[in-house]
Amino acid sequence: DAGVIQSPRHEVTEMGQEVTLRCKPISGHDYLFWYRQTMMRGLELLIYFNNNVPIDDSGMPEDRFSAKMPNASFSTLKIQPSEPRDSAVYFCASSFRGISGSTDTQYFGPGTRLTVL
Amino acid sequence: GNSVTQMEGPVTLSEEAFLTINCTYTATGYPSLFWYVQYPGEGLQLLLKATKADDKGSNKGFEATYRKETTSFHLEKGSVQVSDSAVYFCALSNAGGTSYGKLTFGQGTILTVHP
Repeated sequence: DAGVIQSPRHEVTEMGQEVTLRCKPISGHDYLFWYRQTMMRGLELLIYFNNNVPIDDSGMPEDRFSAKMPNASFSTLKIQPSEPRDSAVYFCASSFRGISGSTDTQYFGPGTRLTVL
Repeated sequence: GNSVTQMEGPVTLSEEAFLTINCTYTATGYPSLFWYVQYPGEGLQLLLKATKADDKGSNKGFEATYRKETTSFHLEKGSVQVSDSAVYFCALSNAGGTSYGKLTFGQGTILTVHP
């Protein structure tokens, strides 16, 4: 299994530019999560999806952030316009609930390190 | 709401020393408990988990026991190695209800092991 795939691994952009981060979850997983990690705030959940439907976006910091999941194998996190305070490592994770409903282990991608100048 | 509190780091040990990283939680219902590890430059990886009271999760020499009476899930290893240097996160998940699948993480504990 290839695991969760994220692209790009590193992104450097200038303030005001649009940034799009991409994620491919593990095949068959029905939950997808976007996190942001910084030294100051630690690991924050931004939004998560179940069967491609957003369930909880209360962690999205402001309207500049948006996330989509057009199908079960692809999700994007977009920042427009980007600001220096958005610099962080962004992780995507997926999980599979299964018939029993008891599986809740999340599998993380390698992350995208975003630097906004 | 749910919360996880980890012992503050960083923790610095010599190789072969005993490791304990404390984790306590606050949650409604019957959460599952996890320890994740993050090596430098990588994403988080599941280290071990426990789904009910008195369960013991174990992996790679690490252990943690789900203690409902003390709401704790402390991570232990009898003899650490340099390769164990990483950031360790305690987390919980409420398997039921509308928050299914959502993990609540502690702030992370940085472990450095010297030869």
